[in-house]
Formats: sequence, C-alpha cells, structure tokens
Amino acid sequence: GAVVSQHPSRVICKSGTSVKIECRSLDFQATTMFWYRQFPKQSLMLMATSNEGSKATYEQGVEKDKFLINHASLTLSTLTVTSAHPEDSSFYICSASQLRVGETQYFGPGTRLLVL
Amino acid sequence: LAKTTQPVSMDSYEGQEVNITCSHNNIATNDYITWYQQFPSQGPRFIIQGYKTKVTNEVASLFIPADRKSSTLSLPRVSLSDTAVYYCLVVVSNNDMRFGAGTRLTVKP
Repeated sequence: GAVVSQHPSRVICKSGTSVKIECRSLDFQATTMFWYRQFPKQSLMLMATSNEGSKATYEQGVEKDKFLINHASLTLSTLTVTSAHPEDSSFYICSASQLRVGETQYFGPGTRLLVL
Repeated sequence: LAKTTQPVSMDSYEGQEVNITCSHNNIATNDYITWYQQFPSQGPRFIIQGYKTKVTNEVASLFIPADRKSSTLSLPRVSLSDTAVYYCLVVVSNNDMRFGAGTRLTVKP
C-alpha cells in the first residue's frame, strides 16, 4: 500500500515555542490530507481537512490560528502548533488520500509532542 | 454524517475467530465501509474496505448485509499480535474521516 511519513516522530519543546510537523505521501499524490490528535486511551480526533492549494477546513473547537496547516504540494502538508502549551501535548497523526470515491486513507506513523 | 457504533472492548484467545460488528444506521448510498487497526503509539493501519456483500483479503473478511446498516469484521485465528484497537469508518469521497470510539480487542494466550 501507499506510504505516508511524518517528521519528527517525537518532539519535546518548551512552553511558548512553535513546533512544525511534516506529513508526506511518499509514492502517491495526495489531494486531501487530514490531521488528527489523539490523547491516551482515546480515539483519534479530527482536527482539520486540507486540500492541496486551498485553505484547511477546521473542525469545530480547533483554533485555526493556533494549529496552522499548510498543504502546499500534492505530497506535503505541515501542521504548526504555535505557542505550544502543556495541554497541547498529544499524539498527532496525519493521513493522506487521492480524491476518489471510496479511496482508502493512508496514515502516517504519528508524532508524539511533549510540551514542558 | 454516518455515525458508527462498535463494542467498546472484546476478549478472545489465540487461534479463535473474532467477529467485530459495527452499526451504521445512517449510511448513505455512496458511503464505503473501511476498517483500520491501531497499535499503541502508531498510526492506524488499513485492514479492509467494502461496499456490499463480502470482501476478503489476506488478513480479514468483511461482511456487509443487504441493508448496509451494519458490517462485521472477521479475523480468522487471531494471535497475540492482533491485540489492538479496531475502528470502523463510513466514508464518502474523503469528506468525512471522523473516527468513532473503536473496539479494543485483547487476545489472550
């Protein structure tokens, strides 16, 4: 199947700093990418949907100015957590897909963010 | 939005067949049913996808009745390594990828 990578896999940062997470589709062009956040023992929470070349659509309750998403190319989307705080510590996962009905989503391995 | 309902948890023993059922009463005509597996601290992994009747691949089978309001993931002869959380999603045109709570499967020796 298709491969999606994320970088970094783990990051520790100080409170108030910004962190950028990259999501890449390695062997296919992803017209749509999704960003999720997952807390321990919980399900994945969809944060936003991004389509290449257009602004991301954020889920209710997700601050677009805090979680900046850029989908500049068909193989790369980035999530920037701005002015991170300890409560932003979580597991962030992206997924990518081609825009076809019923097309499978392929998920990245996730990024563990710890804000001190 | 086709919400899904799954059992919170299931236990099984090695070598048994496990069937996990997902309810999606509001499924629409164009919706596909997709199942994912997730291990701790990893991204979900695609297992199987179907639209109707039965789909089988090398790891699982998916049974979908005619009304498509439910689906059953069947894992033959599970092993300890199948202990994971299993999610069923109902997806149309990639516009809705919200996850339900999932089913935590524990396989015991």
